[in-house]
Amino acid sequence: GENVEQHPSTLSVQEGDSAVIKCTYSDSASNYFPWYKQELGKRPQLIIDIRSNVGEKKDQRIAVTLNKTAKHFSLHITETQPEDSAVYFCAASNHPGANNLFFGTGTRLTVIP
Amino acid sequence: NAGVTQTPKFRILKIGQSMTLQCTQDMNHNYMYWYRQDPGMGLKLIYYSVGAGITDKGEVPNGYNVSRSTTEDFPLRLELAAPSQTSVYFCASSYPTTGLPEAFFGQGTRLTVV
Repeated sequence: GENVEQHPSTLSVQEGDSAVIKCTYSDSASNYFPWYKQELGKRPQLIIDIRSNVGEKKDQRIAVTLNKTAKHFSLHITETQPEDSAVYFCAASNHPGANNLFFGTGTRLTVIP
Repeated sequence: NAGVTQTPKFRILKIGQSMTLQCTQDMNHNYMYWYRQDPGMGLKLIYYSVGAGITDKGEVPNGYNVSRSTTEDFPLRLELAAPSQTSVYFCASSYPTTGLPEAFFGQGTRLTVV
């Protein structure tokens, strides 16, 4: 099955700096890559996703890049703010639905004011 | 619109006891899933269902059972609870046939087995 690895496990940045979280996947058939944000004690929520036919996608301060050849994808957060502090999970799936959505182990991001 | 609702939010079980975690969604989603999240870890798929009457095993199904008698409900049953099942359990749903694969999560159930 799919194996998703995520790095780093923890990340601290100064407010206003950028944060980058990287994930690799093992199954070349995977074609859908969402990112979820989980605030302390709350449920994971989708923040951005990308399909394998696209190399980059942006939504305001958040962007995701995908390199299918190298089988890795990254989350980029620019101009970080304290409210960006949370655990971020990447995931990969080879199905349009999420029935086999494989998650990374998460990155705890702390934005220091 | 409540989305995905899980009950209970917290539960303490003794070893060997059984319980059912309830999950219901009001978005008419075909797909539903159960994940567990161990401390400091990501989410692991326990079971999933692509529609009423259909269920399949995920990565970590041992010790659990599910049923899907209606589109809205997807309960997770723990038989003979063990300390290894101490975790936070999340139910989720999605509706991929619309082309929108986003999974919506419930608020989680924190289970401790002592």
